[in-house]
Amino acid sequence: AQKVTQAQTEISVVEKEDVTLDCVYETRDTTYYLFWYKQPPSGELVFLIRRNSFDEQNEISGRYSWNFQKSTSSFNFTITASQVVDSAVYFCALSEAGTGFQKLVFGTGTRLLVSP
Amino acid sequence: DADVTQTPRNRITKTGKRIMLECSQTKGHDRMYWYRQDPGLGLRLIYYSFDVKDINKGEISDGYSVSRQAQAKFSLSLESAIPNQTALYFCATGSSLGENNEQFFGPGTRLTVL
Repeated sequence: AQKVTQAQTEISVVEKEDVTLDCVYETRDTTYYLFWYKQPPSGELVFLIRRNSFDEQNEISGRYSWNFQKSTSSFNFTITASQVVDSAVYFCALSEAGTGFQKLVFGTGTRLLVSP
Repeated sequence: DADVTQTPRNRITKTGKRIMLECSQTKGHDRMYWYRQDPGLGLRLIYYSFDVKDINKGEISDGYSVSRQAQAKFSLSLESAIPNQTALYFCATGSSLGENNEQFFGPGTRLTVL
């Protein structure tokens, strides 16, 4: 069965600090997708990134970067020089070929608090 | 205009009442989903539909029912609401033709059952 673990329930940092949010997944499929979503205090879910299992290249988008390592079944998310606007709950999610890639399994989320 | 809309956005109701949450989309997607979010538990799948004639139970379907009235509409019903159904509910859409397997989420409905 597929499973996503976000062991960090809440992280507090001061503005301009770097912070890494961990995501560990379990799957029997060799083909799958991993996602990160952001949920700001307003409640909506904002898509951040999608990565397929055949692409282990790290990705950088502005202050955001993602480290995908199949060897450790991890897909970690780093925010560089954090800002107050980064305060949100962040979810990691997984979809597998076995479900037609159309069932998302979410982790329990990590709440990030960035203080001025 | 938003591609995925949910009504109502907020609802307070009493135990035993029947409640319907509605979801509409203009994305032309064939697949639609209902999730609930509880603090500390993330999002869990309630029901999903891969087309108008296809309805499937998700992880936590007990106490809920759904109706896919048209490709663009997918409603979630609580026949007799109970307090532990207090949660934030999200509708999402996806396309079987999509290459990226992304789901697009509505803004959420905050439901409180007293």
